[in-house]
Parts: sequence; C-alpha cells; structure tokens
Amino acid sequence: QVQLVESGGGVVQPGGSLRLSCAASGFTFSSYGMHWVRQAPGKGLEWVAFIRYDGSNKYYADSVKGRFTISRDNSKNTLYLQMNSLRAEDTAVYYCAKDLTVTPIDYWGQGTLVTVSS
Amino acid sequence: SYVLTQPPSVSVAPGQTARITCGGNNIGSKSVHWYQQKPGQAPVLVVYDDSDRPSGIPERFSGSNSGNTATLTISRVEAGDEADYYCQVWDSSSDHPGGVFGGGTKLTVL
Repeated sequence: QVQLVESGGGVVQPGGSLRLSCAASGFTFSSYGMHWVRQAPGKGLEWVAFIRYDGSNKYYADSVKGRFTISRDNSKNTLYLQMNSLRAEDTAVYYCAKDLTVTPIDYWGQGTLVTVSS
Repeated sequence: SYVLTQPPSVSVAPGQTARITCGGNNIGSKSVHWYQQKPGQAPVLVVYDDSDRPSGIPERFSGSNSGNTATLTISRVEAGDEADYYCQVWDSSSDHPGGVFGGGTKLTVL
C-alpha cells in the first residue's frame, strides 16, 4: 500500500531554514509527480509546490516562490522541500502528496508541523 | 491567479442530499477534484475529474461541472460524512501554472 512519511518539521525562528523530507513506498516513486500542500492552524488547504516524476519541471505558489525549493531523489524514493527565509505565515502542517496525473492528488502523508516563531 | 469560491458551511439532515458548490471563472473548462478532510486527519480524494470516484468511495458521492460552477453532491447523507470539503483544480491557463484549492466548506450533519 502507498505510504508517505514526512519528517523534518519543528520550531524555527523567522528568517531561518528547514528541510522537509518525505519517504515514499508502495508505488513506483520515479513514475509519479509529487506535491507539497500545507494547512495553517484552523485554516484551509494551500498548494505549495509540484515536481514532475523526473524532476524536469517544478511549480510553486506565489507565496513561496524564491524561498522554497522542491526536489526529489528517485534513487532514494524521497521528496524534499527546502524552506528558506521562513516567516510566521509559513507556520502550518506540511503534507507530502502523490499526484495522479498533474492532479488530482490520490494519496497524502500524515503531515509534519512547521512552526515559525521567535 | 485563479480563484475558487466555496460556501463556508452547509448543513443537512441525515438521509437528505448535500450539495457543495465551487465557483470559478469558466471552471467548466477545467477538471475539478474534491477532497474530504475530517478533524486531525489528512485529506481524502472523493471525486476527481469532475465526476469520477476513486475505488472505495461510496456511490453516494458524485460530482458535476459546468459553466462557472462545479458541484459535489452527497446523497443519503450519514453522520460520518461530517467533514470539511475542498475543491481543487490545476490552473494551467497562465504562464505560472499551479494548483488551486477552494477555501473549504464545513458540512454539518444535523
């Protein structure tokens, strides 16, 4: 069965950096695009970034463009999100999610909480 | 950027039909997907490509999409359907493609 397990969340000061990881199993990771989606406490879902199956194309939400970088290592079945210049408004649960065909998202991880606070 | 508009809340009695709308400019030209999220849990895909259901999703969940409105319909609503529901599209119409979620609708089963 498909499993997506996020790690790397925690508390970071404004302006700091954090790298999230997502370990994937139960499917051919190198054949599917992957997303990061976040949800601020008590708020709705916000799409963050997408990377194609081979890493050839990457897309970002305006709110994170230039600060966040999505990447993948198909040899390790792992997805990453490098987050720099973090702001208080980046505080959220970050979900790793498997794409079906450039959306929809058919599987989600359980999420990892990122808190940006001094 | 593309905007999806959902009502904040919808209430329905058990056994009745719930309809949750998702408005967007010419949304009928896009593929719309719907997710269910219960408190403390990750979202679950319930309808994709306007009206298809993933395996394991009851036939009570259906979708439609035309003009400027997409609709998720839940027939014979059960207490277990109480959740937040989000519509979503992939906006490829601009030079800045990306995913877009609606603001979410809280379904309350009375």
